[in-house]
Amino acid sequence: EIVLTQSPGTLSLSPGERATLSCRPSQSVSSSYLAWYQQIPGQAPRLLMYATSVRATGIPDRFSGTGSGTDFTLTISRLEPEDFAVYYCQHYGSSAITFGQGTRLEIK
Amino acid sequence: QVTLKESGPALVKPTQTVTLTCTFSGFSLTTSEMCVSWLRQPPGKALEWLARIDWDDEKHYRTSLRTRLTISKDTFKNQVVLTMTNMDPVDTATYFCARVITQDASGWGTADFWGPGTLVTVSS
Repeated sequence: EIVLTQSPGTLSLSPGERATLSCRPSQSVSSSYLAWYQQIPGQAPRLLMYATSVRATGIPDRFSGTGSGTDFTLTISRLEPEDFAVYYCQHYGSSAITFGQGTRLEIK
Repeated sequence: QVTLKESGPALVKPTQTVTLTCTFSGFSLTTSEMCVSWLRQPPGKALEWLARIDWDDEKHYRTSLRTRLTISKDTFKNQVVLTMTNMDPVDTATYFCARVITQDASGWGTADFWGPGTLVTVSS
């Protein structure tokens, strides 16, 4: 099973700042099957990105995804108050679908 | 408008079997490339994918839970049912169902719409 390691565990930033979240698979994965979700505590996750860099419907362009192989990044260019949440990366290219442990983005 | 909602018992005893129902609207599981997945999230922990059923009735299960899970669909009622046997306190979690549309010929895709989740607590 591919293990996804996300870092940092917690990221403390202020609105307007840039956030960079990392996801590192334990082995190389296809960039076609790497996704990111946002979860506000008490709510269901929301799909942000799929195929590494494709924004899901309705996701603002301040969110962007890059990466390949064993190094993927979600960037939020200018943080808005509603962006403070937990972010999960996901590999979905086989029946061994896995999630990272999450990065908590909190207001500094 | 796509919506999904989970239902099932809030409390089950160890060793019991739990049956969870996902009732959805806004799409059909008879349409090619449409799927529904079940996932769960223990309190304060990460998401875990459990199972998926496809428009053509193909089923996929998490390998480590394969012997305990059964997924099925009722296309007339727009429902997907997940049963999990031999429940244990470590199975305490919020259980989500989500729509998945296959992305390409690989047959895999992401969960673009989710239900609000239902908390299942396993305790004697």
